[in-house]
Amino acid sequence: QLQLQESGPGLVKPSETLSLICTVSGGSISSSTSYWGWLRQPPGKGLEWIGTIHYSGMSFYNPSLKSRITMSVDTSESQFSLNLSSMTAADTAVYYCARQPDYPGAFHTWGQGAKVTVSS
Amino acid sequence: QSVLTQPPSVSGAPGQRVTISCTGSRSNIGAGYDVDWYQQLPGTAPKLLIYGSTNRPSGVPDRFSGSKSGTSASLAITGLQAQDEADYYCQSFDSSLSGSEVFGGGTKLTVL
Repeated sequence: QLQLQESGPGLVKPSETLSLICTVSGGSISSSTSYWGWLRQPPGKGLEWIGTIHYSGMSFYNPSLKSRITMSVDTSESQFSLNLSSMTAADTAVYYCARQPDYPGAFHTWGQGAKVTVSS
Repeated sequence: QSVLTQPPSVSGAPGQRVTISCTGSRSNIGAGYDVDWYQQLPGTAPKLLIYGSTNRPSGVPDRFSGSKSGTSASLAITGLQAQDEADYYCQSFDSSLSGSEVFGGGTKLTVL
């Protein structure tokens, strides 16, 4: 059974870069029919898509965040990562990683989420 | 302001049927892109309920169903149960700008 687990710092200072990793288990990160996404949910608010990446390196980013996003895949570690630069208080949220069988498409499997707070 | 519009809240008594609407535009649902629906219980990650507008993943009860017409979509829940009380989100793809997965603002379902 496919499982995803986010890891990273719970606290980030303003202007710094957030780095999160999602570890994939129970399935292959190199599957041609899997795309790997990042989403977030600010406290008390709705869901926002950040970006999606395929193991081949093909990536798709939210236009509103594109200038701040870097995503990558490490097939040897079965991990994919998100770097989000120039963090502000508005980036405080629970960050989720998830799998899409296709892009665009639904997110079928989700990680449990990683809470990130931006504060000095 | 979400690209997809959902009612903030809906409610129903146990056993009743409720529907949650998701209204988009010609650049997303109206362009033919599918709609997906998620259920989020408090403090947990979203769970996929409906994908491809009308399909249920394995394990999702057939009390949950989805439909799409024009620039809108709906999630219907029949035989309402107390454990259905949750937040529900719709998702689609918007082809404007460079293209983006987009979500509705979410609907809080209260079981009376």
